[in-house]
This record gives sequence, C-alpha cells and structure tokens, in this order.
Amino acid sequence: DAKTTQPNSMESNEEEPVHLPCNHSTISGTDYIHWYRQLPSQGPEYVIHGLTSNVNNRMASLAIAEDRKSSTLILHRATLRDAAVYYCILRLPRSADGLTFGKGTHLIIQP
Amino acid sequence: GAGVSQSPSNKVTEKGKDVELRCDPISGHTALYWYRQSLGQGLEFLIYFQGNSAPDKSGLPSDRFSAERTGGSVSTLTIQRTQQEDSAVYLCASRQTGVDTEAFFGQGTRLTVV
Repeated sequence: DAKTTQPNSMESNEEEPVHLPCNHSTISGTDYIHWYRQLPSQGPEYVIHGLTSNVNNRMASLAIAEDRKSSTLILHRATLRDAAVYYCILRLPRSADGLTFGKGTHLIIQP
Repeated sequence: GAGVSQSPSNKVTEKGKDVELRCDPISGHTALYWYRQSLGQGLEFLIYFQGNSAPDKSGLPSDRFSAERTGGSVSTLTIQRTQQEDSAVYLCASRQTGVDTEAFFGQGTRLTVV
C-alpha cells in the first residue's frame, strides 16, 4: 500500500501562511491525495483533495508536485482555530477501499 | 442536514463487561468505517462496511471486537469482556460511494474501562 510521510509537528504564527508537506513517493497513478484535519477533542474533518492539478477551496490550497511524489497543504492565513493535527492520506478511486491514517502533523499556531 | 451521529458520547464501564457503541451514518452513505484513537495517538482502522459486501474486518484487534451494520444504515460496534487497554475514543465515519468522495466523521464515543 502507498504510504505517506509527514513531519510530526510544525509551528507557525497567527495570520501567516503555513505550508504543510507530505511525501508519498510510492503513489500510484490513480491514487487521490486527501487531507483531513482533527481539531482538539473532535473527529477528523475533510480539508481538500486532488489528483494531479493544484486545488483551491475555501479552507486551503493543495499544491501537488509534477511527479506526484509529494504535495503541500497551504493555509494562506493561519488562525488560532487552525491548530490541529493534519493528515495526508491516499485514496484509491474505487469504492472498496479503507481510509488509512498515519500520525499526521501537529500544527501549533502562536498568537 | 444531520451529520454522523454516535452514541453514547461517553461510556464508563467496568473491566470484563460488554459494551455496545452505536453509529448513525449520514442517510444514503453506503460506506461506513470504525476507528479507534487512543490518547495522543493517530487513528487506528478497525472495520469497514461497503453496501452489501462482506465487511473488511482486518483492523479488529481481537475476537472480542465485532461490528454489524443492519439494513445498510446503523452500525453497532461491540466489545466483549472489556480490558483497560480498550479505553479510547471510537470514531465512526461514513461516505457516499463514487469515484472519490469525502468522509464525514462523528464526534466519537469516549470509552473508559475502569
């Protein structure tokens, strides 16, 4: 199974951009790259996903390397509410698959 | 619309007792997942249901754990003869089938075995 590698933790200042990296060097051509985050004492929530092209939504942007072996989640202007564990996971494009979460990156936002 | 609902939100039980945790997925979602999260740890996959197919039970840690999903909707996770190491937050998620859809998580059930 394709795996992802993320830093254990990162720290950033409020109102500054945050770039969260994810390596997935064994990704296959049909794996989607998904990001979820888990706020303290809550269940995970979906952030963004993509396949090949960069993606933007109201929460974040996803930049995918041309070879797809890495990606970066971009929070354009971090707030204290963005402090969470961010998970980068790979999903297959068929329905019969499970969601496998790694340990994620613990993002700390300093006021 | 309603999200994924889990009950109870908290459960304290004595070692050796059986517990049942319930998950109400979003209506129309055919895929349902159970995860376990111990304090300060990541999510541990337990079991996955997809429509009428046989569930993927590969993550269940022992035969004390079982789960069922009735009528393709509500799911129950049962832990028999609970042990202290079963203490964790148990999370349920559901999603629609399709090429690629996001999963929606419940708030979890915090199980404490004393």
